[in-house]
Amino acid sequence: GQQLNQSPQSMFIQEGEDVSMNCTSSSIFNTWLWYKQDPGEGPVLLIALYKAGELTSNGRLTAQFGITRKDSFLNISASIPSDVGIYFCAGPDTGANSKLTFGKGITLSVRP
Amino acid sequence: NAGVMQNPRHLVRRRGQEARLRCSPMKGHSHVYWYRQLPEEGLKFMVYLQKENIIDESGMPKERFSAEFPKEGPSILRIQQVVRGDSAAYFCASSLSRADTQYFGPGTRLTVL
Repeated sequence: GQQLNQSPQSMFIQEGEDVSMNCTSSSIFNTWLWYKQDPGEGPVLLIALYKAGELTSNGRLTAQFGITRKDSFLNISASIPSDVGIYFCAGPDTGANSKLTFGKGITLSVRP
Repeated sequence: NAGVMQNPRHLVRRRGQEARLRCSPMKGHSHVYWYRQLPEEGLKFMVYLQKENIIDESGMPKERFSAEFPKEGPSILRIQQVVRGDSAAYFCASSLSRADTQYFGPGTRLTVL
């Protein structure tokens, strides 16, 4: 099946710093999604990308859909303590159903 | 609160017991998905239902697991004769249509003793 790769597993940054995380796949995705999961909660959609090359922002977050359709990245600028959490990339199955494939996630820690 | 609701939030079962996880989708949503998350892993698709019908159960183990989404009431994920390996967080998501955004509930954390 389709797989999404995220690394490293954890990232540690200082409050105020920018951070970039990427997601790669060996197969094409037609939609890229970035979710954030807080401890003990479900994933919350941050940004959705629908077109190769698309660059989309949501506040301090910016994400891009790679032109090969096999990668995407998420940037967080001027990090704050509440940015702590697990960031997942995800994409819907290219078949008839829209079940999502998730990466393993990157745990972000922000030092005050 | 119009979000996806799941209950219970935490469930403890002994090996061999049954676990029933409930999911109420967002108002107006008739598409429900169940995912399982093991520690330090991403979410893995289990089953996709659309009111009274199972559309795709390719991610659900063939034995002991079943899911339903009746005409009235919440979607239920049922695990019979639970084993320690079933311990995980189970998330439900709902969407307005097949290709629409999936909104996730807070999850049920199942612990099997």
